[in-house]
Amino acid sequence: DGGITQSPKYLFRKEGQNVTLSCEQNLNHDAMYWYRQDPGQGLRLIYYSQIVNDFQKGDIAEGYSVSREKKESFPLTVTSAQKNPTAFYLCASSMGLLLKNTEAFFGQGTRLTVV
Amino acid sequence: AQTVTQSQPEMSVQEAETVTLSCTYDTSENNYYLFWYKQPPSRQMILVIRQEAYKQQNATENRFSVNFQKAAKSFSLKISDSQLGDTAMYFCALFTSGTYKYIFGTGTRLKVLA
Repeated sequence: DGGITQSPKYLFRKEGQNVTLSCEQNLNHDAMYWYRQDPGQGLRLIYYSQIVNDFQKGDIAEGYSVSREKKESFPLTVTSAQKNPTAFYLCASSMGLLLKNTEAFFGQGTRLTVV
Repeated sequence: AQTVTQSQPEMSVQEAETVTLSCTYDTSENNYYLFWYKQPPSRQMILVIRQEAYKQQNATENRFSVNFQKAAKSFSLKISDSQLGDTAMYFCALFTSGTYKYIFGTGTRLKVLA
């Protein structure tokens, strides 16, 4: 079955540590996105990528980094510079440039907790 | 800048009744698309309905329909014959061809009462 897989579902991190969230898709989508979800704030865009080896900052990129070395993968690293990393993180993908009216498809999310 | 505003943080409706969720947006682009997503307690985001801005006809999907008012930049979602399974967070989203990114509102938590 095609879809987007995020792992792990739950992640605990000690303060001062970097952590990487995985996002893999087998939908052959060009575009991929990372969102952060906090209560009352909806989904805020962290980073997005329209093609391999290219990505852009979203609205809240500080303290995060990404890479897009393969079309299928778009990992997100939460660095120690992120002041309040505890949140629910959602990865999404879409057809991107080829089909503008397509919806975004989402993974099941990763709940990150800093302990 | 593109923005999406959902002014109703929480709503409730009796089972089998009809409810309307509001959404307003702002963009300077002419080519854009609007979506409603549902996020049940499982937190999996599910597409409910989409609307292309160039289409005047309002989109419908079974019990879900939209009222798209382009001049007013309004995009409300009507749920008819509400069911217990409709209980969820609902997010309005805007996609613009110039930015190629999806902008989401803050969501409306809908509770369907038995």
